[in-house]
Amino acid sequence: DQQVKQNSPSLSVQEGRISILNCDYTNSMFDYFLWYKKYPAEGPTFLISISSIKDKNEDGRFTVFLNKSAKHLSLHIVPSQPGDSAVYFCAASMNYGGSQGNLIFGKGTKLSVKP
Amino acid sequence: ETGVTQSPTHLIKTRGQQVTLRCSSQSGHNTVSWYQQALGQGPQFIFQYYREEENGRGNFPPRFSGLQFPNYSSELNVNALELDDSALYLCASSLAAGFGTGELFFGEGSRLTVL
Repeated sequence: DQQVKQNSPSLSVQEGRISILNCDYTNSMFDYFLWYKKYPAEGPTFLISISSIKDKNEDGRFTVFLNKSAKHLSLHIVPSQPGDSAVYFCAASMNYGGSQGNLIFGKGTKLSVKP
Repeated sequence: ETGVTQSPTHLIKTRGQQVTLRCSSQSGHNTVSWYQQALGQGPQFIFQYYREEENGRGNFPPRFSGLQFPNYSSELNVNALELDDSALYLCASSLAAGFGTGELFFGEGSRLTVL
């Protein structure tokens, strides 16, 4: 049973427009959520995170929104750039402030940003 | 500051063989986690090592084992290889519990093919 779900395997957007990547989770014990980006032949790289005590966290062009009642989070990229084309993984943890080694990942969404 | 490095990058084994994968953690990090990423899936937590002791384990059989050395580098050993063990194996380092954001820094991975 998948605890973290990314239901869209792929997403295509035009350069300069907004990209919205979605993620749903089932375990209400999760208290920390992260987004990772992965280019081919590279390991995942950390993008942005949010703890369950917040509903929004912003870092430059990237904003993560958390809706705990819906068990849903989303990553907004504005404006989207061709270099953002990658696979984006949503991940969750139930041990914020502790070791983050045990992250539960979704299957990923492949974002393509067209020039 | 050196990042996480893994070796080998690619290897091919036959069913029943044993394999050892190696990881050097990022400078200053004392915790190492290993993940398995099968094709089309998100990374799945195997186990974590902190101060040379296993500090959490995912749903993997005992034939998956590991070591962490005093310099915080780590090994993943898999015995009696099965076809389903074919995957990308990712190593990630981090600071110990209670420090920083808990962000994981991933290596590029070791691609294992079992024939």
